[in-house]
Amino acid sequence: NAGVTQTPKFQVLKTGQSMTLQCAQDMNHEYMSWYRQDPGMGLRLIHYSVGAGITDQGEVPNGYNVSRSTTEDFPLRLLSAAPSQTSVYFCASSSLGSGKDYEQYFGPGTRLTVT
Amino acid sequence: AQSVTQLGSHVSVSEGALVLLRCNYSSSVPPYLFWYVQYPNQGLQLLLKYTSAATLVKGINGFEAEFKKSETSFHLTKPSAHMSDAAEYFCAVSEPGNTGKLIFGQGTTLQVKP
Repeated sequence: NAGVTQTPKFQVLKTGQSMTLQCAQDMNHEYMSWYRQDPGMGLRLIHYSVGAGITDQGEVPNGYNVSRSTTEDFPLRLLSAAPSQTSVYFCASSSLGSGKDYEQYFGPGTRLTVT
Repeated sequence: AQSVTQLGSHVSVSEGALVLLRCNYSSSVPPYLFWYVQYPNQGLQLLLKYTSAATLVKGINGFEAEFKKSETSFHLTKPSAHMSDAAEYFCAVSEPGNTGKLIFGQGTTLQVKP
């Protein structure tokens, strides 16, 4: 199993550009989520999904869109990049349902710089 | 709302000394609790988790944590620090209601001095 994979590893954007961060998992997990990590602020939840076709907003959703057309993939779209979106982005997934403990598995991260 | 507090954003210990990283949560219902470790320029890796079995949980790399319901705490310890333990550590708690969401603390950076 590859686990949770993310592409690209690094990206530099100019203000106003758009892009999609890719996330895929091969563990058949129902739950997938996107976090951003900024110094001193821990991990903040951007968007999450509990299954294909179902997404919801987290703590800091503004400026980001998501969709979940398959169980495996959960892309994060930046509509019009701003310097405030400079951050490290992590995708994570977990199993849901009876008997599950919600342990999340993390991807390696995407380091995004917006100039 | 559920919250997690990690006391001390930076902790510095000497090699061979006890490591103690503190985590308190706010919940009237015992949740699932986790400690993750993040090495520089890497993703988060699970160290250990509490899932209502034993209150003393052993994890990887010699770490352990004790769930104390009366103190709403889940502190992480290791008897003897190693240089390779230098990393950022995150405590997390499951959100009530089986949403699948985890609430993370702000993180504690552990420095190990030779």
